[in-house]
Amino acid sequence: GNSVTQMEGPVTLSEEAFLTINCTYTATGYPSLFWYVQYPGEGLQLLLKATKADDKGSNKGFEATYRKETTSFHLEKGSVQVSDSAVYFCALRDYNTDKLIFGTGTRLQVFP
Amino acid sequence: NAGVMQNPRHLVRRRGQEARLRCSPMKGHSHVYWYRQLPEEGLKFMVYLQKENIIDESGMPKERFSAEFPKEGPSILRIQQVVRGDSAAYFCASSPPSTVAQETQYFGPGTRLLVL
Repeated sequence: GNSVTQMEGPVTLSEEAFLTINCTYTATGYPSLFWYVQYPGEGLQLLLKATKADDKGSNKGFEATYRKETTSFHLEKGSVQVSDSAVYFCALRDYNTDKLIFGTGTRLQVFP
Repeated sequence: NAGVMQNPRHLVRRRGQEARLRCSPMKGHSHVYWYRQLPEEGLKFMVYLQKENIIDESGMPKERFSAEFPKEGPSILRIQQVVRGDSAAYFCASSPPSTVAQETQYFGPGTRLLVL
């Protein structure tokens, strides 16, 4: 069945460091891929998405490229800020059922 | 345009009581999804509804859980005879009816249920 695998956290970085959070998926068909962010005590906010192979989603300095050949959608940011501290979820939209399938989440902690 | 609304934000119940969680989708959205997040875990799909119809309930526990999305009013997730293992954050998401725009789900702030 469809699944999403994320790197385990927490990821601890200093401010202005480079961020990579790995995400790989298993799916039939060509799912859309998403990154959501959850700040403490809040719901999920859509960060970025990509709907087909080689698409690059970007928002607020974050980027992720849909790589069909490696079934990956890694999240990157060139220079993180303390305010980026949150839990990041990679997800795919099931091609047949419309539901989202989430990874387990990766907690990012950025220190000044 | 208000986002997805959920209430209550926090709910405390004793074992055996009923919990009712409400979700009002974004204006113009006719698709509602419920997800559950257990502590330190990702979100797990529970049920997908359109107005007056359950489209996919493959993630719902077989007993005690039910969901509806009536023609008028919010979507309701109902948990009867709650147990401690039901303690979790329950998130509602909505999406618009068009095929392309339907791909993106917008989440509410969640209801955090604590069963004592």
